[in-house]
Amino acid sequence: ETAVFQTPNYHVTQVGNEVSFNCKQTLGHDTMYWYKQDSKKLLKIMFSYNNKQLIVNETVPRRFSPQSSDKAHLNLRIKSVEPEDSAVYLCASSGQNSDYTFGSGTRLLVI
Amino acid sequence: GEQVEQLPSSLIVQEGASVLINCSYTDSASVYFPWYKQEPGKRLQFIIDIRSNMERKQNQRLTLLFDKKTKHLSLHITATQPGDSAIYFCSPKPASSGSWQLIFGSGTQLTVMP
Repeated sequence: ETAVFQTPNYHVTQVGNEVSFNCKQTLGHDTMYWYKQDSKKLLKIMFSYNNKQLIVNETVPRRFSPQSSDKAHLNLRIKSVEPEDSAVYLCASSGQNSDYTFGSGTRLLVI
Repeated sequence: GEQVEQLPSSLIVQEGASVLINCSYTDSASVYFPWYKQEPGKRLQFIIDIRSNMERKQNQRLTLLFDKKTKHLSLHITATQPGDSAIYFCSPKPASSGSWQLIFGSGTQLTVMP
């Protein structure tokens, strides 16, 4: 099956902990992304990664960092989570001039 | 950077009705306009797109209209069904901020009552 796969589906953690979310795409796409979707369903681009080039949304706090081993994987690490990080994190990928394919998301709850 | 506004923010209709979702953007360099649908509990899904050299595109019950001069798009859905209930996102692709980033509108929540 070709798609974008995210793990875990759901994660609960305490303030100050480190978390890491995984994303893998089997579509042969060149570019991968992380978006944050808040409780109002607003989508905000966090990172995009293409051919070892990382584009960062400057509003993203430094405790967030993407990690990639190859063009099929883009993980998201949060060094020390805060309550406002509670959200759904969506991974996506795209080919050249094509639409995006999204993963099912990772819901993070920080308590 | 690109600003995207969608109106209305929510819409409730009876099954069979037609709906219109409007999207305005600010970056005149945007050239590609995909739309996505997010059903409750499901992943975002591409539904239709249009490029800046076109004015109209139809895909079954979906029609997308584009006005480059006013920087405005309209998504028309006819003969709505309960399965159309979802959040619809307009996402202009700005050419300026890295050629592969989509910026999403705030979404339109459509509810179709049976």
